[in-house]
Amino acid sequence: NAGVTQTPKFQVLKTGQSMTLQCAQDMNHNSMYWYRQDPGMGLRLIYYSASEGTTDKGEVPNGYNVSRLNKREFSLRLESAAPSQTSVYFCASSEAPGRGPWAYNEQFFGPGTRLTVL
Amino acid sequence: GQQVMQIPQYQHVQEGEDFTTYCNSSTTLSNIQWYKQRPGGHPVFLIQLVKSGEVKKQKRLTFQFGEAKKNSSLHITATQTTDVGTYFCLNDYKLSFGAGTTVTVRA
Repeated sequence: NAGVTQTPKFQVLKTGQSMTLQCAQDMNHNSMYWYRQDPGMGLRLIYYSASEGTTDKGEVPNGYNVSRLNKREFSLRLESAAPSQTSVYFCASSEAPGRGPWAYNEQFFGPGTRLTVL
Repeated sequence: GQQVMQIPQYQHVQEGEDFTTYCNSSTTLSNIQWYKQRPGGHPVFLIQLVKSGEVKKQKRLTFQFGEAKKNSSLHITATQTTDVGTYFCLNDYKLSFGAGTTVTVRA
């Protein structure tokens, strides 16, 4: 099993360009997530998909769109990149769709995409 | 904003010493998870705590969930160079990570 894969690993964009970050998991997980990581700020949730066919905004959704293409794939699109979107982007997945106290939602992370917007 | 606060932000430890990192919330947590991220790597799940007052151990790591379920701690004994990295707590219900504690070890 490859787990969670992300492409590309590195990307440099100019302000105003668009791009799509790809994420796929082969663990048959229901939930998938996109985070961005900036120094000193931990991981912040951009969007998540609790199950195939649903997507919800996280803490920092502005400037991004997502598509849950099927159960395996969850893509993140930057329509018009800005320097403030320079960050490391992580995709993650977890098995359970529920979010109660007893839901077991261990998240498995991909290797990340390091994005620089000039 | 962040639902959970982590302290300290940085921890410089002499090899062989113990240290503790804390995760605090102003609201009651359904459960809490801990992750470790090695330099240049991705976060890796360590543990999930659910019950009030719960204590779980993984070798030299001890995780605790407060009685009021508003705080959690990670205690590492006899720190080794393999403990280097950033430790994050996650309020799973809100999908909100703390800012992390970055640990460096002096040999």
